[in-house]
Amino acid sequence: SQTIHQWPATLVQPVGSPLSLECTVEGTSNPNLYWYRQAAGRGLQLLFYSVGIGQISSEVPQNLSASRPQDRQFILSSKKLLLSDSGFYLCAWIRRTEAFFGQGTRLTVV
Amino acid sequence: KQEVTQIPAALSVPEGENLVLNCSFTDSAIYNLQWFRQDPGKGLTSLLLIQSSQREQTSGRLNASLDKSSGRSTLYIAASQPGDSATYLCAVLNFGNEKLTFGTGTRLTIIP
Repeated sequence: SQTIHQWPATLVQPVGSPLSLECTVEGTSNPNLYWYRQAAGRGLQLLFYSVGIGQISSEVPQNLSASRPQDRQFILSSKKLLLSDSGFYLCAWIRRTEAFFGQGTRLTVV
Repeated sequence: KQEVTQIPAALSVPEGENLVLNCSFTDSAIYNLQWFRQDPGKGLTSLLLIQSSQREQTSGRLNASLDKSSGRSTLYIAASQPGDSATYLCAVLNFGNEKLTFGTGTRLTIIP
């Protein structure tokens, strides 16, 4: 069966520190993978998506980057966090018949 | 660029009432439209998915319709319960670039 794992669930990081959020999927190959962010009281904003290894599309200019080192692994990173990076981050695996979401990471930058 | 809007932004209704949530999208070139539920501080729960060739889907007290030509979808909730209180999100999967674009959400409160 298809599953998607995302960790950690919560994270508190100081301003200026690095970030690495990891997402892995099971039960499929060559999935389309996505990172979304939800700021407090706001909707879900698409940050990055990837249709294959090494292929990353960025939706909005920001302090974050993404990488896809393996077929079923998608990583969201930052070299130096800003206060505005706080929010709820969701990884998703989407295909034409359904969408699977991780449990999310609540990031608080202090 | 696909834009998805949900009206109303917030809704409060007494328990037992039927209600309708609305979703509109600007680009009708979609594979499907999906309705999700999000509880405070939690991830997403998929409720219903309607393929672009379909007109509606039903699951229990929920019924979702899709009018692709007019760029509209509705989520009908029958006999509302306090446990239905949550934020409801619609999302469309765009044809071609395979992006899933979310709506702005409707925060629903069912009053016991």
